[in-house]
Amino acid sequence: GAVVSQHPSRVICKSGTSVKIECRSLDFQATTMFWYRQFPKKSLMLMATSNEGSKATYEQGVEKDKFLINHASLTLSTLTVTSAHPEDSSFYICSAVPDRNTEAFFGQGTRLTVV
Amino acid sequence: EDQVTQSPEALRLQEGESSSLNCSYTVSGLRGLFWYRQDPGKGPEFLFTLYSAGEEKEKERLKATLTKKESFLHITAPKPEDSATYLCAVLGYNQGGKLIFGQGTELSVKP
Repeated sequence: GAVVSQHPSRVICKSGTSVKIECRSLDFQATTMFWYRQFPKKSLMLMATSNEGSKATYEQGVEKDKFLINHASLTLSTLTVTSAHPEDSSFYICSAVPDRNTEAFFGQGTRLTVV
Repeated sequence: EDQVTQSPEALRLQEGESSSLNCSYTVSGLRGLFWYRQDPGKGPEFLFTLYSAGEEKEKERLKATLTKKESFLHITAPKPEDSATYLCAVLGYNQGGKLIFGQGTELSVKP
């Protein structure tokens, strides 16, 4: 299957700082990427849809000023958690789709810990 | 409202004990139903896509089937390395490419 690379896999940051997470599709172009958050023993919660060259679409309840998404190219989307707080600690996962009619491929996830 | 429900939430099997996981869905126009495997601390790994009722897909000890209301993931003679959380997701015509996930089934296979 197609490969999606997410970096970093783990990050620890201090409260109040910002953290950037990258999501790259390595062997295909992705006009659409998705960002999820996952709590322990829970399913994936969609945060936002990232479209190349346009503004991201955020799900209800997700603060767009806190979770900045940029989809600058067909192979790269970034999620920046701004002014992080301990409650932002979570597992963040991205996915990319070669085509909206096909399966999504996921990155390996990023474990964010805010201390 | 589009919805996906998986059962059971958790399943414990002995090695070699075959079983099935269920994914019930309601969606206004199904584009595809997807099964993923997720290991702790990792992103979901794609397993299967099913597009229409009656379709079946197989991969090693896993077989996925689809009806108009549900999908089953059959696990034949499981091994401990099959232990993981199995996620089901649907994609509808009106979802703009967004997957709707079930809550997952946590499978544990004991030797």
